[in-house]
Amino acid sequence: QQQVKQSPQSLIVQKGGISIINCAYENTAFDYFPWYQQFPGKGPALLIAIRPDVSEKKEGRFTISFNKSAKQFSLHIMDSQPGDSATYFCAARSTPLLGRYAGNNRKLIWGLGTSLAVNP
Amino acid sequence: DAGVIQSPRHEVTEMGQEVTLRCKPISGHNSLFWYRQTMMRGLELLIYFNNNVPIDDSGMPEDRFSAKMPNASFSTLKIQPSEPRDSAVYFCASSSTQHYEQYFGPGTRLTVT
Repeated sequence: QQQVKQSPQSLIVQKGGISIINCAYENTAFDYFPWYQQFPGKGPALLIAIRPDVSEKKEGRFTISFNKSAKQFSLHIMDSQPGDSATYFCAARSTPLLGRYAGNNRKLIWGLGTSLAVNP
Repeated sequence: DAGVIQSPRHEVTEMGQEVTLRCKPISGHNSLFWYRQTMMRGLELLIYFNNNVPIDDSGMPEDRFSAKMPNASFSTLKIQPSEPRDSAVYFCASSSTQHYEQYFGPGTRLTVT
């Protein structure tokens, strides 16, 4: 139940196209769903995040769509640019361990990542 | 702020040697995470601390790995003895209670020959 499944593993999109990356989870107690972006040689960095009480969140060209009943969420990159070429990770914030730390900055359960290449 | 600082940035060592990776979290952050990244296994959480106390070390692969956080501004990840399969990029990240975002350091690329 403590898993997040991400697809596709890799994605090639033409400049100006829409990039879509999907994630699915089982644990309905997950309460925060971020997407991280990682460029080669760098650590991941937060791109956008959503809570399960919202179905969509948009920031610029990046949108998260969240389907609570299906336990799925996806990242949409509109008007994809070569500079968007990176690895994208979805994640979900874990539930508190019984009798252990229950604060807001609990660990994240990570997807395996999607390597996105945007051709010019 | 300088962000999360990791050292060394690159480490090449021989099998059987002890390796120590270091991390300085962002000032004021009270949680610290150690990750390992490989092509085969992706990004794996090894251990995380809250207020210098280890909360979850279920990701530590075996007894050869150990991590400490003696104070709020410093943590180490030690591998003894190191093996070729430990070759990976090791990231340290920190976060605060007020902001869930994890800030990652630049990583340490470890190569064990």
